Amino acid sequence: DSGVTQTPKHLITATGQRVTLRCSPRSGDLSVYWYQQSLDQGLQFLIQYYNGEERAKGNILERFSAQQFPDLHSELNLSSLELGDSALYFCASSGTDYNSPLHFGNGTRLTVT
Amino acid sequence: AQSVTQPDIHITVSEGASLELRCNYSYGATPYLFWYVQSPGQGLQLLLKYFSGDTLVQGIKGFEAEFKRSQSSFNLRKPSVHWSDAAEYFCAVGPLNDYKLSFGAGTTVTVRA
Repeated sequence: DSGVTQTPKHLITATGQRVTLRCSPRSGDLSVYWYQQSLDQGLQFLIQYYNGEERAKGNILERFSAQQFPDLHSELNLSSLELGDSALYFCASSGTDYNSPLHFGNGTRLTVT
Repeated sequence: AQSVTQPDIHITVSEGASLELRCNYSYGATPYLFWYVQSPGQGLQLLLKYFSGDTLVQGIKGFEAEFKRSQSSFNLRKPSVHWSDAAEYFCAVGPLNDYKLSFGAGTTVTVRA
């Protein structure tokens, strides 16, 4: 168990809809990262938050947004969903030590129909 | 730009046999290198990491990896594979003090009895 909790595990929704994925980092970790894993794109970094502030941005679509709350949990919001957004979305967290690796949650599998 | 290449998409190995997974990276400075394993339905679990020092790194589950700067490689090895090692393995490279990791496409390992 990595200590990173993601909910829900599975999500099925229709095109055009909006969903929210939630992540609770490991206790004490200030950084949260979101990744998208799909068959054609592999594992893609989306965005990183550190102690409530956006730290780094990757290949995140404008239809997607994220935030990190004062209690350090994070939410990834996906809107105007398209079939191509179907993927496994991972959250990871890391500590403040620069040697601290990423610890991943078990992911949320999103299916857009 | 940084990138990771895992040349083997799929490897099949007999239980008890040795395993080597290849990873080549492109990076402009001293790389931080990682190997993660993803079992079906699970998140990514860190097997080992290399930051500096001894180029032969020991990880969990009996895995080791060797950093070869001259070959830009960080190959993962295990002397004797167990059926539970069937999974997908990802090599990743990241810059110093920034965890915008680049992941390889992954190598799926099948273990036959």
